Amino acid sequence: DGGITQSPKYLFRKEGQNVTLSCEQNLNHDAMYWYRQDPGQGLRLIYYSQIVNDFQKGDIAEGYSVSREKKESFPLTVTSAQKNPTAFYLCASRTTGQGAYGYTFGSGTRLTVV
Amino acid sequence: RKEVEQDPGPFNVPEGATVAFNCTYSNSASQSFFWYRQDCRKEPKLLMSVYSSGNEDGRFTAQLNRASQYISLLIRDSKLSDSATYLCVVTDSGTYKYIFGTGTRLKVLA
Repeated sequence: DGGITQSPKYLFRKEGQNVTLSCEQNLNHDAMYWYRQDPGQGLRLIYYSQIVNDFQKGDIAEGYSVSREKKESFPLTVTSAQKNPTAFYLCASRTTGQGAYGYTFGSGTRLTVV
Repeated sequence: RKEVEQDPGPFNVPEGATVAFNCTYSNSASQSFFWYRQDCRKEPKLLMSVYSSGNEDGRFTAQLNRASQYISLLIRDSKLSDSATYLCVVTDSGTYKYIFGTGTRLKVLA
């Protein structure tokens, strides 16, 4: 079955460490997105990519980095520069083209700084 | 003013009740609208798109009012399983980036 796989489900990071969250999709979707969700807040866009080898900053890109070397994969690195990384991270994808289509989300990664 | 605003709730309703949520948006050029459902500690899932003429899917009805810049979701005959947070989503007119509201929490009580 097609879908988006995020791993790991839970991740613990020590202060000063970089960590990478994986996002893989087999839906043949062109566009992929990373969002962050904090308790009581909506989803906030970190980075997005509408095509391979191209990506744009979202609203809260500071302290994060991404790559899009393959259509299927859009990993997110949380760097030590991100001062408050504890959150629920969601990856999403959608097909592009005429009209707008709903996102498909992965099941998320919960990152905790210890 | 936030780009997308929702009443956070919670809305506590008895089983079988009808409940409605509204969501206002600030960008009059927004083109596409959706309702997502999010269960506790899970990812959001698409509930339904919202079309200009309004649309229905079983017990759920979505409406769009472009003049007043709001969308609504009506749930009839509420079930316990409808308990969740309902997220309003509006697209950015140029890039189709999705802008999420903070969600409205619904609790259906037995």
